[in-house]
Amino acid sequence: NAGVTQTPKFQVLKTGQSMTLQCAQDMNHNSMYWYRQDPGMGLRLIYYSASEGTTDKGEVPNGYNVSRLNKREFSLRLESAAPSQTSVYFCATRDWGRIEAFFGQGTRLTVV
Amino acid sequence: ELKVEQNPLFLSMQEGKNYTIYCNYSTTSDRLYWYRQDPGKSLESLFVLLSNGAVKQEGRLMASLDTKARLSTLHITAAVHDLSATYFCAGPYSGAGSYQLTFGKGTKLSVIP
Repeated sequence: NAGVTQTPKFQVLKTGQSMTLQCAQDMNHNSMYWYRQDPGMGLRLIYYSASEGTTDKGEVPNGYNVSRLNKREFSLRLESAAPSQTSVYFCATRDWGRIEAFFGQGTRLTVV
Repeated sequence: ELKVEQNPLFLSMQEGKNYTIYCNYSTTSDRLYWYRQDPGKSLESLFVLLSNGAVKQEGRLMASLDTKARLSTLHITAAVHDLSATYFCAGPYSGAGSYQLTFGKGTKLSVIP
C-alpha cells in the first residue's frame, strides 16, 4: 500500500522550462491538494480538487495549473518556471469521511 | 479565511526540560491538527483534536484545544533528542465547497543533549 506517491522526488529546471509534477494515491480519497513549502512560510495551498472533475485555486495559484486526471491522480504543471517557484511541493489527500490529510513524500524543485 | 499563528517559530531546549508550543487561529473552528516533519521528510499526523477541551497524549507530547480562546497547545515533557523536528498546527475551513487546511509557519524544535 503506497499511499500518496509523488514523482519526481527531485528536479532542476532552467527558467522558462515547463514540467509536470505527478501525484497518485491508492487510498480511494476524494479530495486532493497541492501545497508548496518554503522556509519560514509553512505550507501554502496552491490548488485543490474536492472531487474528481473539480479543481479550485488556493492561496498561491499564480504560475501553476492543475489537472485532476481521475480519482487517483492530480498533477501540477508549471508552464514557464521561475526562480520564485523553487520550493518543496507536497501533494495531500483526504477522504470526505475522514478527518486527517495524508501527505506524499514531496518533490524538491529548483529553478535556476 | 482562517489564519493560523504559531509561536515560537524556533525553539532550542535541553534534554529533560519542558516546554509548550502555542497555536492561535483566527476564526471559529472545532478542530485542530498537529503534524510533525523531520528534515527532508514529509508531514506525519500527530494529533487530531476534535472538540473544545480535547486533550491527546502520545509519549512525551500532549496536545490540547480551547475553541473559545481559539488556542491549541503542544506540550513537551522531559524532551529527548528524538523529538527534534518541525511541528505544524493546522486548522480547517470550508472554501468553495471544499475542506481545506491552513497551516501555521511551523515551530522548529531542536533538543540539545
